[in-house]
Amino acid sequence: QKEVEQNSGPLSVPEGAIASLNCTYSDRGSQSFFWYRQYSGKSPELIMSIYSNGDKEDGRFTAQLNKASQYVSLLIRDSQPSDSATYLCAVNWALNSGNTPLVFGKGTRLSVIA
Amino acid sequence: NAGVTQTPKFHILKTGQSMTLQCAQDMNHGYMSWYRQDPGMGLRLIYYSAAAGTTDKEVPNGYNVSRLNTEDFPLRLVSAAPSQTSVYLCASRWDRRNYGYTFGSGTRLTVV
Repeated sequence: QKEVEQNSGPLSVPEGAIASLNCTYSDRGSQSFFWYRQYSGKSPELIMSIYSNGDKEDGRFTAQLNKASQYVSLLIRDSQPSDSATYLCAVNWALNSGNTPLVFGKGTRLSVIA
Repeated sequence: NAGVTQTPKFHILKTGQSMTLQCAQDMNHGYMSWYRQDPGMGLRLIYYSAAAGTTDKEVPNGYNVSRLNTEDFPLRLVSAAPSQTSVYLCASRWDRRNYGYTFGSGTRLTVV
């Protein structure tokens, strides 16, 4: 059973703080990991992708991957009220063909309080 | 580029009726998928297609798809049931596992 687990939240942080979002996955052979942001009533939009162990930074966002612990996280520095959204973790499972669908977690709702 | 286009945006269907949700992309993406999203349930995969002429399913009952060309990936509800009330999201990506999806704006379907 392919599983991606996220804390549903809500996670509340004050404006300017660091928001930390976490995700675990069940398949040790997973290859690619993605973070999507979804505003209420809108479709998900890709904000980060990570494939190798370690950190990947893009502006205020940092994705962290630890394949040994089967753990991926997203840090948002200097959180803004506009960051308030649901954040979805998605995993691409490894199959021989390489053509596999993404499996999503249920998402963590983040609320940044001004 | 228009990206991924879904139509209609909203629809109300009666139980037992059938309809087709349209999805088209103009990015020459080989890989396309349909998800449904329900409150508290996240995104659940319904069908995916790795290329024109191929499809594979996760949820076999009540849905059908075709992939006659690269651009279009319509989802057909065969005989609608209230349990199929949901937001349906179509997505596409390049044919490599390291690429993320681009999503359409979704179809909000209510079955009464």
